[in-house]
Amino acid sequence: DTEVTQTPKHLVMGMTNKKSLKCEQHMGHRAMYWYKQKAKKPPELMFVYSYEKLSINESVPSRFSPECPNSSLLNLHLHALQPEDSALYLCASSQGSGEAGELFFGEGSRLTVL
Amino acid sequence: DAKTTQPTSMDCAEGRAANLPCNHSTISGNEYVYWYRQIHSQGPQYIIHGLKNNETNEMASLIITEDRKSSTLILPHATLRDTAVYYCIVRVAGNNDMRFGAGTRLTVKP
Repeated sequence: DTEVTQTPKHLVMGMTNKKSLKCEQHMGHRAMYWYKQKAKKPPELMFVYSYEKLSINESVPSRFSPECPNSSLLNLHLHALQPEDSALYLCASSQGSGEAGELFFGEGSRLTVL
Repeated sequence: DAKTTQPTSMDCAEGRAANLPCNHSTISGNEYVYWYRQIHSQGPQYIIHGLKNNETNEMASLIITEDRKSSTLILPHATLRDTAVYYCIVRVAGNNDMRFGAGTRLTVKP
């Protein structure tokens, strides 16, 4: 199984809503990532969890709250978002150590904030 | 500061080799060169990586100059399905700080 599964694929929410994006992998990877991608722009790194601990936080606003319940799961909790937060949110995983370090990406969750 | 520089866009004829350049003049001795691509509306896909030797796999070849300041990704026989944005990234192996630059938009034409 070499898949990273993200749910939901599409999400529409209001600015006062609370929602979550979910990501799952069963490759035994110990690093998991959240990226944000606006149209026609490259993915921007948001958070990295390594061995279930937050290792990188790119000064993301607190309305985005990551959670890593275990090494296979990664959540991104959303609260009081703004319309400019509308984007494709990509999850990825990697071994977490060693040379290879290739990232496996999910297909993304497309978020629209009204 | 951008660690890599790539042309904004390139075209390639179907069936011909696509050669995508990347400049990484400030690369450190322990940094690898990685290539990913992103087909429209999909997540990025790993292609290949290398340190200083040339590398080849079923998807592509990676040529790294002797001074390691630049590299070229070669798709030997481009198809229409290779139309995508190609990203060149340098990072230390095992470092989880994977950041994307602007990339090259490759269009393969019939």
